Amino acid sequence: DTAVSQTPKYLVTQMGNDKSIKCEQNLGHDTMYWYKQDSKKFLKIMFSYNNKELIINETVPNRFSPKSPDKAHLNLHINSLELGDSAVYFCASSHTSGRLPGANVLTFGAGSRLTVL
Amino acid sequence: AQKVTQAQTEISVVEKEDVTLDCVYETRDTTYYLFWYKQPPSGELVFLIRRNSFDEQNEISGRYSWNFQKSTSSFNFTITASQVVDSAVYFCALSEARGGQAGTALIFGKGTTLSVSS
Repeated sequence: DTAVSQTPKYLVTQMGNDKSIKCEQNLGHDTMYWYKQDSKKFLKIMFSYNNKELIINETVPNRFSPKSPDKAHLNLHINSLELGDSAVYFCASSHTSGRLPGANVLTFGAGSRLTVL
Repeated sequence: AQKVTQAQTEISVVEKEDVTLDCVYETRDTTYYLFWYKQPPSGELVFLIRRNSFDEQNEISGRYSWNFQKSTSSFNFTITASQVVDSAVYFCALSEARGGQAGTALIFGKGTTLSVSS
């Protein structure tokens, strides 16, 4: 069983289109994240949800909209795609309780490579 | 503000050499976590270690060892007798420890690409 699964793994689309990436975790974690990894491999936090509540919303264009229907799912919708949105998007999850052994250890999905033409 | 610096962009070694990956961090928090993740060519992100700011003991796991020094704000990673399979991008990361409160995302360094040749 995959702990954090993202779909699709690859996404090629035209500028201006709208696309979504889905993420699901079966670890029972209470917090989920979206990270963006650019062409230089730099990983940057975009959003974080704790029990379906938005906790972190970094400086991201409002074309990006996360949605968490329940604490096991965090989807990312992107409107009006631009060339600069091309990247690998990683979903992750973790416990946030500081006293649990695995607290704050992020488990990542395999990544979704988005290419905007 | 939190920041993680990995000054070494790329390192190339020959198999069986020892290699140390440097990580320097900045934070105003007194309680925090430090991490290392590995990203092999296949692209997934693999957790290697988490260290609590209160625990400065060095840790060894097989050929991997970590040296945490609060005095220099460093958390360096050494691979002993490197192997070709160690070739990957290695990321150091930092997060606050808020005692159970949410909102503690990892802040990553820019990564060090390690190439081990045979």
